[in-house]
Amino acid sequence: QQQVKQSPQSLIVQKGGISIINCAYENTAFDYFPWYQQFPGKGPALLIAIRPDVSEKKEGRFTISFNKSAKQFSLHIMDSQPGDSATYFCAASRTGGFKTIFGAGTRLFVKA
Amino acid sequence: EAGVAQSPRYKIIEKRQSVAFWCNPISGHATLYWYQQILGQGPKLLIQFQNNGVVDDSQLPKDRFSAERLKGVDSTLKIQPAKLEDSAVYLCASSPSGGGYTFGSGTRLTVV
Repeated sequence: QQQVKQSPQSLIVQKGGISIINCAYENTAFDYFPWYQQFPGKGPALLIAIRPDVSEKKEGRFTISFNKSAKQFSLHIMDSQPGDSATYFCAASRTGGFKTIFGAGTRLFVKA
Repeated sequence: EAGVAQSPRYKIIEKRQSVAFWCNPISGHATLYWYQQILGQGPKLLIQFQNNGVVDDSQLPKDRFSAERLKGVDSTLKIQPAKLEDSAVYLCASSPSGGGYTFGSGTRLTVV
C-alpha cells in the first residue's frame, strides 16, 4: 500500500514533442504528489508538485494531471527539449512530516 | 541560499570495511533525510530526523547502519561492516517541515 508505480521505465521523444510519464498510488492517505528531476551525478531536484484538491497544475512547460478517483497522476512535458533529458521520479507523501515514497523513475531522452 | 552539502562525493571500500558519510542541511531546515539510491531505482528512505530526534528508521538495516544528527544540524551516516549490496548513492535531503525536499548531490559508494 506504500508503493508508487511509475511507467514507462524509459522514454524517447523528438524535440518539440510531448513527454508523458504516469504514476499510480495505493494509499489514499497520500496528499502531496511531487515530481523530481535528476541529472547524472546530481541529487533529485523538485520540479513541480500537486495536492489532490486540484486536478491540474501547470508551471511553464510542465503540467501535472491528477485523477483522485483512479489514484493516478501524470507529468506532461510540452515542447520537450534536449535539456529535459534526465530521470524523472514521481513521489507521494502525507502531510505531517511523513516520508516521501518514490517511484522507480523514468529515463527520458529527447532527440534533437 | 546554500544547498545541502554532502561529503565525500565518492568512496570505494572493500567489503567488511566501515565508511561514514556527512551531511550539512539547509540552515533552518528541521527535517533531515538519508535516502539510498541503487542504480536504476528510485530513492529509498533509510532514516528521517526531526531536529535531532529519529522519526522513521524502519528501513534502516540497524545491524550495520547507524546515523546521528548532532544538535539538530549536521548528520552522519555510518556503515559497518559494508556489504557488496550496499553499493549505491547515499542522498541526504532536508525540508523545513515536510513538503518538497532539497537533495544534496549524494555520495557514490562502491563496495568491492
